[in-house]
Amino acid sequence: SAVISQKPSRDICQRGTSLTIQCQVDSQVTMMFWYRQQPGQSLTLIATANQGSEATYESGFVIDKFPISRPNLTFSTLTVSNMSPEDSSIYLCSVSGALGANVLTFGAGSRLTVL
Amino acid sequence: AQTVTQSQPEMSVQEAETVTLSCTYDTSESDYYLFWYKQPPSRQMILVIRQEAYKQQNATENRFSVNFQKAAKSFSLKISDSQLGDAAMYFCAKGGGADGLTFGKGTHLIIQP
Repeated sequence: SAVISQKPSRDICQRGTSLTIQCQVDSQVTMMFWYRQQPGQSLTLIATANQGSEATYESGFVIDKFPISRPNLTFSTLTVSNMSPEDSSIYLCSVSGALGANVLTFGAGSRLTVL
Repeated sequence: AQTVTQSQPEMSVQEAETVTLSCTYDTSESDYYLFWYKQPPSRQMILVIRQEAYKQQNATENRFSVNFQKAAKSFSLKISDSQLGDAAMYFCAKGGGADGLTFGKGTHLIIQP
């Protein structure tokens, strides 16, 4: 199965700043997904990132707020821009196919706290 | 929009006993995938079991099994011989492929020693 590394593991950020989360996979994958998990809540899909194309955002999420890069088949970044306390969440990177068709493998997540 | 419903915010079970977590979903598709993921306090999402909707046979992984009722759109998880290490949040999910997964709100499972 794929090993997914996310950086940072956690961070405390000031209101109005931006933070970029990195996701590194130890094998080439076509599809990468970014999820948000607000405190005590379930996972919500932010966007799907395929190499060589623009990310596809879910309803309620926009590129200006959550720009995503996918420069190659093993790496992606998610930026949380102009943060507010409402952005305090765990952000998880995931990939499909490593454990079987349609199965998502997740990174350990990045816990962001915005003051 | 697809919905996945977990009606049990929290469940408690004695160690070595059996517990069943409920999940229902909404879909107009005939072929899809269903999953149970576990999220311990470490927050790492771990795949517990998956079911392909076109397969009538219920999936089983060691102490974990599902009761998949396609017509009723129900997908419950049974954990047998519960262990302390089973304590976690359990999320039911539907989907797969290019659309990612849609998750339920989760069930917090407590194991009583």
